[in-house]
Amino acid sequence: QSALTQPASVSGSPGQSITISCTGTSSDIGGYNYVSWYQQHPGKAPKLMIYDVSNRPSGVSNRFSGSKSGNTASLTISGLQAEDEADYYCSSYTSSSTFVVFGGGTKLTVL
Amino acid sequence: QVQLQESGPGLVKPSETLSLTCTVSGDSISSGYYWGWIRQPPGKGLEWIGSIYHSGSTYHNPSLKSRVTISVDTSKNQFSLKLSSVTAADTAVYYCARVQSMIDPKTDYWGQGTLVTVSS
Repeated sequence: QSALTQPASVSGSPGQSITISCTGTSSDIGGYNYVSWYQQHPGKAPKLMIYDVSNRPSGVSNRFSGSKSGNTASLTISGLQAEDEADYYCSSYTSSSTFVVFGGGTKLTVL
Repeated sequence: QVQLQESGPGLVKPSETLSLTCTVSGDSISSGYYWGWIRQPPGKGLEWIGSIYHSGSTYHNPSLKSRVTISVDTSKNQFSLKLSSVTAADTAVYYCARVQSMIDPKTDYWGQGTLVTVSS
């Protein structure tokens, strides 16, 4: 069982917006602004999409945005495109002995 | 451009030790980042294994208990993972990656991953 909780799947039509949630505790998401989001296409390595809650690395589309409220972080993808179909993972620093925790992943389907 | 490449056996027998090396190019392993290992069992999610700093300071997932050893060779710009007493549950794609710091797990560069199967 993952330390961070994500919905198993979400879906949306091209052009729409979707939001993926990632729920933790005050020991991880709620206590620190060190939440990252990764996109993973089948057979590929994860790609960093958002870091430090809401920052986008160079080259990542501004259709991707991140936010946090309390113990829950969110990834929003606007203007859905077919190539956004992938698995998405959140991660956070944790004050537990694990140091880093991942969510279980969310499969995004673009209808 | 920073690149990481995992290398090592793709098949390991149960109870033996899994050994992987990550070769870094385009950045110095002494540049101030941490260097980490993450794994992904087939069809499952990501699991943090651990990270190392060029000084040799390490931290790792306690769920793997004392089976994990991560080391660094600055002269070769490489870092390595050893996982002892493996079982079928250790079958996974193993990724090496560059990590921002011990407190910020931002992982911006990843290797392509290498599948390690534990089987007799």
